[in-house]
Amino acid sequence: DIQMTQSPSTLSASVGDRVTITCRASQSISSWLAWYQQKPGKAPKLLIYKASSLESGVPSRFSGSGSGTEFTLTISSLQPDDFATYYCQQYNSYWITFGQGTRLEIK
Amino acid sequence: EVQLVESGGGLVQPGGSLRLSCAASGFTFSSYAMSWVRQAPGKGLEWVSAISGSGGSTYYADSVKGRFTISRDNSKNTLYLQMNSLRAEDTAVYYCAKSWFDYYYMDVWGKGTTVTVSS
Repeated sequence: DIQMTQSPSTLSASVGDRVTITCRASQSISSWLAWYQQKPGKAPKLLIYKASSLESGVPSRFSGSGSGTEFTLTISSLQPDDFATYYCQQYNSYWITFGQGTRLEIK
Repeated sequence: EVQLVESGGGLVQPGGSLRLSCAASGFTFSSYAMSWVRQAPGKGLEWVSAISGSGGSTYYADSVKGRFTISRDNSKNTLYLQMNSLRAEDTAVYYCAKSWFDYYYMDVWGKGTTVTVSS
């Protein structure tokens, strides 16, 4: 199985900050990576697919980059609604795997 | 509006069985692969199983292989997960999720159904 490792596990930031979350794959996954946002008690929401494609309706302050084994999710200017947990997911293989999650909390 | 609604969760004893359903609406169900993803209390997301649009190809996480069976009825726009030999570690919220054709990222999610395995 392809292992996905996110860092950091927890990130403290303030409204207006620029933040970056990293996701590393145990082997090359080309650009077959998605990012999700999840709030407590809610289902995950797709933000980014194919590493850098923004899902319709997602604010442009979210962006994704990377290919191969290293990927990043960047939020250019944090808004109060952005404090949540973020997950990466590879779909290079039919045996899908998620990262362990990054909790973004208010500083 | 694209919608997924899960049902069938509940409390079951270890070793028991349960069948989850996911009713889909608002899109051509048979054109899209579907997945089940679960989340244990306080834990991260874990992919459980996926199925192609036709139902001809199925995939399972090692943790459920041989115990769970994914299926779909395209005439009823419904996805299923038959869960047998349930264990305490299967306790989780189970989400049904739609993929974008045969690209297995998940663009639409249901609200989830809770499965609790306990005596």
